[in-house]
Amino acid sequence: GENVEQHPSTLSVQEGDSAVIKCTYSDSASNYFPWYKQELGKRPQLIIDIRSNVGEKKDQRIAVTLNKTAKHFSLHITETQPEDSAVYFCAARDSGTYKYIFGTGTRLKVLA
Amino acid sequence: KAGVTQTPRYLIKTRGQQVTLSCSPISGHRSVSWYQQTPGQGLQFLFEYFSETQRNKGNFPGRFSGRQFSNSRSEMNVSTLELGDSALYLCASSKDLNTGELFFGEGSRLTVL
Repeated sequence: GENVEQHPSTLSVQEGDSAVIKCTYSDSASNYFPWYKQELGKRPQLIIDIRSNVGEKKDQRIAVTLNKTAKHFSLHITETQPEDSAVYFCAARDSGTYKYIFGTGTRLKVLA
Repeated sequence: KAGVTQTPRYLIKTRGQQVTLSCSPISGHRSVSWYQQTPGQGLQFLFEYFSETQRNKGNFPGRFSGRQFSNSRSEMNVSTLELGDSALYLCASSKDLNTGELFFGEGSRLTVL
């Protein structure tokens, strides 16, 4: 069935370092890949997304890359700051059903 | 513009009871989806509604049901509650089925004793 695997489940980095979170999807019909950030006790919020016709997208300190052949996509955060500490979820959306499948989340801790 | 509103925010039930959760989407949004969030399991898809029709359903037992009203508000119901149903239930709305961004509510935290 449809599945999105997300790694690592936890990630600790020093402030100023980079962080990378990786996801793999199984459904070849997926064509939209968003990333959501959920701060403690708050709702998930979209931080960046990428569509299947694009290989990379960047927005200030965050970037997402997509490898359709390998069915991999990754979130890159550079120059991490304490406020980047949160749980990050990747997701893949099926192009036919529009159904979202989320990864299990990565808890990122940025150490000051 | 008001965000997605979920009620109640917190509730405690006992095994065997049933519960109804409500979600009011952002004005103008016609798609509402529901997710169960538990530690280590991420966001598991329950179902999605668009124009009062269930478009997609996740792999949950029939005890989980939902509906959408003509004003796009949605409810989900869980009957015969089990301890494992304790979770944060998140509702998300989007303008249309093909619109990318999901806007989440703050969730309803259900504890089953």
